[in-house]
Order: sequence, then structure tokens, then C-alpha cells
Amino acid sequence: GQQVMQIPQYQHVQEGEDFTTYCNSSTTLSNIQWYKQRPGGHPVFLIQLVKSGEVKKQKRLTFQFGEAKKNSSLHITATQTTDVGTYFCAGRTGNQFYFGTGTSLTVIP
Amino acid sequence: NAGVTQTPKFRVLKTGQSMTLLCAQDMNHEYMYWYRQDPGMGLRLIHYSVGEGTTAKGEVPDGYNVSRLKKQNFLLGLESAAPSQTSVYFCASSWWQGNQPQHFGDGTRLSIL
Repeated sequence: GQQVMQIPQYQHVQEGEDFTTYCNSSTTLSNIQWYKQRPGGHPVFLIQLVKSGEVKKQKRLTFQFGEAKKNSSLHITATQTTDVGTYFCAGRTGNQFYFGTGTSLTVIP
Repeated sequence: NAGVTQTPKFRVLKTGQSMTLLCAQDMNHEYMYWYRQDPGMGLRLIHYSVGEGTTAKGEVPDGYNVSRLKKQNFLLGLESAAPSQTSVYFCASSWWQGNQPQHFGDGTRLSIL
């Protein structure tokens, strides 16, 4: 069964509002990656987190890895229409990455 | 700058037919993966390969077979297609499995009637 859960499944925001998606695993993860998939496109790698409690920033995007390495979050500040898409986390356990179910972000201009 | 190329992009099959999806990468990556993407389910790993001549089962391997005879190619086969295999299939590759980003192809949209 699905080992990595992601919430919410959908999020609609007004342009300029903030957005957060959360990823939770039932097991401790070795590392976690985040991907973005534009509508009709393929997943594109955004970032990887490895250390417990790690925080990384990419412009308006902030990624966090939980202290217990079982959860992670992606926060977007002041969303723009270019942020539209589905955001996936992918956590590694053993030899496999398990992708979350994704959060589909719609930004209303 | 091809990256990961999947063939075909679209296909419609009848139940019971067989077909092979081809994935080719030009980045000299060791690891290759096949995923399926279904609404509300995210990406689920079907099979993967850690190098030429090797394959391993992922999360949802039943009904699929794979082969990696050449380092740059990873083939996904459906021997007897079923409607439950209607999905979008993505191939990906990476340098190493553990801590390297995966590079995805554009996907194959497969419908089985």
C-alpha cells in the first residue's frame, strides 16, 4: 500500500496567497525529493532533503524535512500563476522511492 | 539534448493484446525506472533496473515485464493487456538510486478497451 501520504489533494488559492503541501510517511525516510508536474507534463525535480530538520529555500519555495525524517513540507510564498501544477514528494525507504499522491495547485489570477 | 525519450506517446489496445513501451536515455545513467500514474494515486513504481542486464520489481509489478539489454534502453512489456492497466506510463533515469534526481520522459498514455 501507499507508504507516503500527501495532503491536501487539491488546493485553490488566489494569486499572491501562500500555499503549503505536507508529506507524511509511516516509516523513517533516508531522504526525500520534491517534484513539480505541470498540467500535461512530466515530473521535474525540484530539490532533495537528506538531514533531519533540514530546511532549504529556492526563491519563494521553502522545503523542510522533519526531525524524525518521517514528514516534509513545501511552502510557496505569494503564489504566482506560474506555480500551477501538481507537487509530489518522493521518500526513499530501502531501495525504492515512494511517491506521495500529489497536491494539485490552482492559482486564481 | 534528448534526455529521456519514450515511445510511443499514445496507444489504444484491446484487452488481451500485447505491446512494448520503449524508453531510451542518452545521459549514461545507471538506474532506470518505470512508473504508472493514475488519478489520485500519484506515481507508483512498476519495475526498475540498477544497470545493464539487471531488473527488479517495484511496488506494482504484476502484469508487466521489463528488460534492459542495453544500458541506454529500458523496455516495459504488457503480455496480455487488461483495462486496469489503462494509465499514463513514465520512464525515468538517474545516476544512482539513493540520492540523485530522477529525470522523466514525457510519458505514454495507454488506453485498454
